[in-house]
Amino acid sequence: AQSVAQPEDQVNVAEGNPLTVKCTYSVSGNPYLFWYVQYPNRGLQFLLKYITGDNLVKGSYGFEAEFNKSQTSFHLKKPSALVSDSALYFCAVRDWLTGRRALTFGSGTRLQVQP
Amino acid sequence: DGGITQSPKYLFRKEGQNVTLSCEQNLNHDAMYWYRQDPGQGLRLIYYSQIVNDFQKGDIAEGYSVSREKKESFPLTVTSAQKNPTAFYLCASSISSEPYQETQYFGPGTRLLVL
Repeated sequence: AQSVAQPEDQVNVAEGNPLTVKCTYSVSGNPYLFWYVQYPNRGLQFLLKYITGDNLVKGSYGFEAEFNKSQTSFHLKKPSALVSDSALYFCAVRDWLTGRRALTFGSGTRLQVQP
Repeated sequence: DGGITQSPKYLFRKEGQNVTLSCEQNLNHDAMYWYRQDPGQGLRLIYYSQIVNDFQKGDIAEGYSVSREKKESFPLTVTSAQKNPTAFYLCASSISSEPYQETQYFGPGTRLLVL
């Protein structure tokens, strides 16, 4: 079975500081990993994904994520946080070995950026 | 939220009533999905469909039903058998040309409340 863990319910960071939102995963085969962001009462917006290749993936709005196979992690990062980055962030995984096309999501991490 | 529309934005259900949530996409995507979002639990898969006239149960299908008569439409019915329907419902779609690697795109969501 595939699973995703987001160990922090909330992350607080000051504007201008770097931010990290953590994600670890468990799969049987090769992981396909995704990050989404959700603003209040809205759908999820795609940020970035890791399929294969370079372990550092760049995405929308200045976000990037680092894939670490040995630690089974896919942490989301941004060098300088903005107040407008405050939102709910979801990590998700898909594992072709299970034959499951739908994504498995973590429980989400709320990012709060203070001005 | 791309080319995926969900209606209504808010829906109220009386006890014993069936209600139907609409999801339409104009992205020419083959696959469509329904997720349920509860606070602190991330997204859970209700049903998904890879192709017209075919669909599979997800992790929490009990009390729900779907149909896929047209490529662009994937309505979800919340039946009276669903005893705790209050949640935020999200529809998503994806293209099937790159199985397991493809990105899912989400609609704006429907919030269902019980009277």
